[in-house]
Amino acid sequence: GEDVEQSLFLSVREGDSSVINCTYTDSSSTYLYWYKQEPGAGLQLLTYIFSNMDMKQDQRLTVLLNKKDKHLSLRIADTQTGDSAIYFCAESIPNSGYALNFGKGTSLLVTP
Amino acid sequence: IAGITQAPTSQILAAGRRMTLRCTQDMRHNAMYWYRQDLGLGLRLIHYSNTAGTTGKGEVPDGYSVSRANTDDFPLTLASAVPSQTSVYFCASSDGTTADTGELFFGEGSRLTVL
Repeated sequence: GEDVEQSLFLSVREGDSSVINCTYTDSSSTYLYWYKQEPGAGLQLLTYIFSNMDMKQDQRLTVLLNKKDKHLSLRIADTQTGDSAIYFCAESIPNSGYALNFGKGTSLLVTP
Repeated sequence: IAGITQAPTSQILAAGRRMTLRCTQDMRHNAMYWYRQDLGLGLRLIHYSNTAGTTGKGEVPDGYSVSRANTDDFPLTLASAVPSQTSVYFCASSDGTTADTGELFFGEGSRLTVL
């Protein structure tokens, strides 16, 4: 499928905010997603946003959606060392039922 | 609740051998998926199934086959393994209805090495 683009690495200091950006391709995707993968584990849904929303806030997480530019971002406030993981942006795949198309993932490293 | 169970966790096999990766879910989800994860390439969809008895091809289906004889099981078979199939394989499932948010639930992965 077409590529969902993400930067590959991000390093922040503990207590700072982290912002992970994503450019997606499918303008018909009803929802857009952020998944988190910790070492040696499968992916887990972190948060999602409905396509008719511009912003969603969930505790330390803020998701921004710019449909015009097909841009999605995830902001993590007060980043902790436990937030170190790989973060994946995902969109639905047209004509593939309910399958998702994932970006390559952004590795977030939080240093003390 | 186990969720998604994959087996084996890890396997090394010789090129040319046949291998089946097993996946079972206990959430009565309609849809199931197989992805492979490779460094620098992210997750790529191999095959999917929207409901028992149906399957579809994803982005990288060549060399792989699947079946969906019932709701719970979705095995992935490599008929004749090649080194390029060395990867971590993830099975996932989702509710698979239009009322759902589309969240995928993932297993812990099966690490396969083909020599």
